[in-house]
Amino acid sequence: EPEVTQTPSHQVTQMGQEVILRCVPISNHLYFYWYRQILGQKVEFLVSFYNNEISEKSEIFDDQFSVERPDGSNFTLKIRSTKLEDSAMYFCANLPHPEVPYEQYFGPGTRLTVT
Amino acid sequence: GQNIDQPTEMTATEGAIVQINCTYQTSGFNGLFWYQQHAGEAPTFLSYNVLDGLEEKGRFSSFLSRSKGYSYLLLKELQMKDSASYLCAVRDSNYQLIWGAGTKLIIKP
Repeated sequence: EPEVTQTPSHQVTQMGQEVILRCVPISNHLYFYWYRQILGQKVEFLVSFYNNEISEKSEIFDDQFSVERPDGSNFTLKIRSTKLEDSAMYFCANLPHPEVPYEQYFGPGTRLTVT
Repeated sequence: GQNIDQPTEMTATEGAIVQINCTYQTSGFNGLFWYQQHAGEAPTFLSYNVLDGLEEKGRFSSFLSRSKGYSYLLLKELQMKDSASYLCAVRDSNYQLIWGAGTKLIIKP
């Protein structure tokens, strides 16, 4: 069964540093999502991405965040200047098309710890 | 605003049946999903409902009533490995997933 992979599995960084979280999606899936989940809290939508453009973004996804698909396969989430409150699990998800009854396939997540 | 409510925590006995309820108020509706999440892991898909009624999938079933904004997940023949959080998520009119806070299910022997 195809899988979504994410690297690194755990990232520790100092406040104010930039981090890049990477996702390798399933090859024929065209829609990409980033979510975050602060420890003990609900999953929160950050951004959706299709055809090399952001489709939707939440209020959380401010100017400190950006997404790219730099080489046609990897899908990255960049946080420019991390804050303590950015500490969370970050999940990448994707699916072939949002309007068909497919579930989103989640990657295993990256645990980001900002100190 | 958009809101999804589910109980914070439930406890059940191994071998028994448990029903986890979810009520929702969202801007539009394009399906309801149930996911299972073990601590420190990603959510894994369990079920999908878009029409009213019951969807059965092995030991797990999910029910939807769109007029009531209500769903439940039914787990039968509970096993210790079913101890996890169960997340209800609704896809809204923009096809975005709106997530509930999850129900932590504790299974006791």
